[in-house]
Amino acid sequence: GAGVSQSPSNKVTEKGKDVELRCDPISGHTALYWYRQSLGQGLEFLIYFQGNSAPDKSGLPSDRFSAERTGGSVSTLTIQRTQQEDSAVYLCASSLYTLQGRSYGYTFGSGTRLTVV
Amino acid sequence: LAKTTQPISMDSYEGQEVNITCSHNNIATNDYITWYQQFPSQGPRFIIQGYKTKVTNEVASLFIPADRKSSTLSLPRVSLSDTAVYYCLVVPKAAGNKLTFGGGTRVLVKP
Repeated sequence: GAGVSQSPSNKVTEKGKDVELRCDPISGHTALYWYRQSLGQGLEFLIYFQGNSAPDKSGLPSDRFSAERTGGSVSTLTIQRTQQEDSAVYLCASSLYTLQGRSYGYTFGSGTRLTVV
Repeated sequence: LAKTTQPISMDSYEGQEVNITCSHNNIATNDYITWYQQFPSQGPRFIIQGYKTKVTNEVASLFIPADRKSSTLSLPRVSLSDTAVYYCLVVPKAAGNKLTFGGGTRVLVKP
């Protein structure tokens, strides 16, 4: 597509339930990133994919968080047993890398606003 | 990763030029300087990227002195719609390096 698409745009869930957030990157973008942004705060890195593999998972806050990417395209971020502190906007970004390893501007989606009640 | 320091907030008026300076004293040789803009309820949007001297595009100009320890984003003739948070980032050249966002500069353009 023309941009990075995320769904749902808003999600309200009860504490303890599992949620899945979806990211559809720009076609051909090999790198995909998940970030989260709490109200009024900066962006916190969660995980990075290059193709289908995730060489950097260092930002995942706990083992309740997991992510996968299939076919080098769509990615799903899963949060199990959600807690109120998981409430935030979850942003996905994708980027195209050249053969020389140079990265160009990252394109972000509009995010999924997750509210845990 | 090189740490960046930028003003927390800036106010301006429509039609003025806004200059935001970012410090990155421990920038490495292979690092690029990148700026993003974020409006409320949206993801950040790439504005401009540079390595040294001056880069200009249709949105902004980026000035980088020879020592590369700072950079200045210049927004010409701002309008109300330029009210946003502006993030300065230092990005390693190598593939796969995540963007590390600081607090950004909240720019408020007044009528």
